[in-house]
Amino acid sequence: GESVGLHLPTLSVQEGDNSIINCAYSNSASDYFIWYKQESGKGPQFIIDIRSNMDKRQGQRVTVLLNKTVKHLSLQIAATQPGDSAVYFCAEKEGDGQNFVFGPGTRLSVLP
Amino acid sequence: SQTIHQWPATLVQPVGSPLSLECTVEGTSNPNLYWYRQAAGRGLQLLFYSVGIGQISSEVPQNLSASRPQDRQFILSSKKLLLSDSGFYLCAWSVGLAGGQETQYFGPGTRLLVL
Repeated sequence: GESVGLHLPTLSVQEGDNSIINCAYSNSASDYFIWYKQESGKGPQFIIDIRSNMDKRQGQRVTVLLNKTVKHLSLQIAATQPGDSAVYFCAEKEGDGQNFVFGPGTRLSVLP
Repeated sequence: SQTIHQWPATLVQPVGSPLSLECTVEGTSNPNLYWYRQAAGRGLQLLFYSVGIGQISSEVPQNLSASRPQDRQFILSSKKLLLSDSGFYLCAWSVGLAGGQETQYFGPGTRLLVL
C-alpha cells in the first residue's frame, strides 16, 4: 500500500544551526501534509501543515517545503534550540479519507 | 480553546484482563475522534475513528474495540488483553473540513504495559 517514509532516522545538529528533516511519500494523490513533533512520553504536537496547492509554508522558525514532482516533504528549523530535540513525524492524507499515513519518525538531537 | 484529555496516563495490566481507556475533548462540538497505537520506535497506527456518536470505524482487526457514548468521549476497550497490546495509545480529534484537509490534534497518551 501507500506509505510515508523518512530519509534519515536520526539527525544531530549543533545548537544554533539550521535543521532539515526530510520525508518521502509514495501516494501521488495525497493533498494534505502535516509535521508533528513528539517529545519523549508525550503525544505528537502539531507544528505546521501544508496543502498540495502550495510548495512552501512558513511558521515561527519552521518552514515546510513540498515538492510534488518528486513526492518529497521537508521541515526546516531555523536556529535549532535544545528544546527542539524530539522525534519529528510527517503525515499525509488523501482527500476526504480519515486515514493519515505517518512515517516512523526522525529523532533530532541538538548538541550544545 | 480546545483541549483533549486521556486517562490513565500509565497502566500495567496482566494478560487476559479487561481494558478501558478514556479520551475526552473540550471546547469543540461534533469532533472526529481517533485512537492510534504507537509501538516503541515506530510510527502511529490508526485503530479506530469516529465521525459521530455511536459511529465507529475499525482500521485493523484486533481484540480491541471502541465506543463513543457521548459527542466528546471516546473509549478504547478490550475484554482480554494480549501481550502484543502493550504500547502507547493516543487519542486525537479533528473538526471536519471540506476536502478532508483537517488537522488532527493529539492527547497526551496512555502507556499500556501488559505483563
